[in-house]
Amino acid sequence: AQSVAQPEDQVNVAEGNPLTVKCTYSVSGNPYLFWYVQYPNRGLQFLLKYITGDNLVKGSYGFEAEFNKSQTSFHLKKPSALVSDSALYFCAVRDRGGAGANNLFFGTGTRLTVIP
Amino acid sequence: NAGVTQTPKFRVLKTGQSMTLLCAQDMNHEYMYWYRQDPGMGLRLIHYSVGEGTTAKGEVPDGYNVSRLKKQNFLLGLESAAPSQTSVYFCASITQQGKAFFGQGTRLTVV
Repeated sequence: AQSVAQPEDQVNVAEGNPLTVKCTYSVSGNPYLFWYVQYPNRGLQFLLKYITGDNLVKGSYGFEAEFNKSQTSFHLKKPSALVSDSALYFCAVRDRGGAGANNLFFGTGTRLTVIP
Repeated sequence: NAGVTQTPKFRVLKTGQSMTLLCAQDMNHEYMYWYRQDPGMGLRLIHYSVGEGTTAKGEVPDGYNVSRLKKQNFLLGLESAAPSQTSVYFCASITQQGKAFFGQGTRLTVV
């Protein structure tokens, strides 16, 4: 069965500091992995994805994520946080095959607050 | 290019009433999904469709029905609303690899 864990409900970081939002996953096969961001009263917006290839994936707004197969992790990172990065972040996973191949599972979300 | 459009944006229902939420996409995607978002629980999949005329149950399907009569539309129905269905509902249109495009959401309150 597929699952996604975001162990931190809240992450606080000072503006200009690096940020990390953690995500671990469980799938029966090889995963497609995603990060989405949600601003207040809006739908989720795509940030980046890992399909195959380089383990370091670059996405929108300066975000990047590192796929680590041995640790089954896909942590979101940014070298220098901005106040405007404050939002709710969701990790998502889709299995490439098997019974769960059509499902896109989301984590419970991590609220990022960047302090000026 | 409108992307994904959900209607209505807000609704208040009395217990036992019925309603239909409409999702429309103009990206010619085969996959469409309905999620509900509740505090502390993230997004949970209600039902999904992998093509016109097909639907399947997700993680929390009870109390909901869906239809995909046309490729661009995916309807979510509540036959007899309950307070436990108070939530924010999101529709997503999804590419083959799983990249999702979300609607703006429908905030539903059942009193």
